[in-house]
Amino acid sequence: ETGVTQSPTHLIKTRGQQVTLRCSSQSGHNTVSWYQQALGQGPQFIFQYYREEENGRGNFPPRFSGLQFPNYSSELNVNALELDDSALYLCASSLDQGASGNTIYFGEGSWLTVV
Amino acid sequence: AQSVTQLDSQVPVFEEAPVELRCNYSSSVSVYLFWYVQYPNQGLQLLLKYLSGSTLVKGINGFEAEFNKSQTSFHLRKPSVHISDTAEYFCAVRARSKAAGNKLTFGGGTRVLVKP
Repeated sequence: ETGVTQSPTHLIKTRGQQVTLRCSSQSGHNTVSWYQQALGQGPQFIFQYYREEENGRGNFPPRFSGLQFPNYSSELNVNALELDDSALYLCASSLDQGASGNTIYFGEGSWLTVV
Repeated sequence: AQSVTQLDSQVPVFEEAPVELRCNYSSSVSVYLFWYVQYPNQGLQLLLKYLSGSTLVKGINGFEAEFNKSQTSFHLRKPSVHISDTAEYFCAVRARSKAAGNKLTFGGGTRVLVKP
């Protein structure tokens, strides 16, 4: 139990649609990041939010966007879904951007299937 | 930028036998190192991490890892595995700067299958 919860756990969308995934960080954690894990691969960093501002982004197009709310919960939005977006989406939280090697805690993920 | 290579995609091992999972990394800056485990249909759980100090790091469930700076390696070991250790294992690095935030760079994973 990491204290990071994600919803929904599974969902199926049609190509071209939009999806919103949600994450509740561990209590007090002000930094959240999102990762995409395609089947059989390691997680890939999408972006990070610190105190409601995006302050780091991986190699993902602008149709991947996010929000962090004052209570530090977070959303990942993906527009114009493509088949290759099918993956496990992981949310991770930590205190103060992982400074000094603070532990980064992961949720159990949201499985997205695009058909 | 950082990159991580896990040299074995799959490692079959018999119960109570030892196991070693190999991880090499490349980075232009100093890094923290991590091993995570992912059980089927679950998220990632931290096994252990190397921040500084002793190069031998002990983690949960009897795992340990050794940091070798000259070889840029961080291999994971367990002297005697159990069936419950069947899972996928990920090596990851993060740059030692606040600007790096939560950005972990992961390897491709090693699937461990423990056989009775």
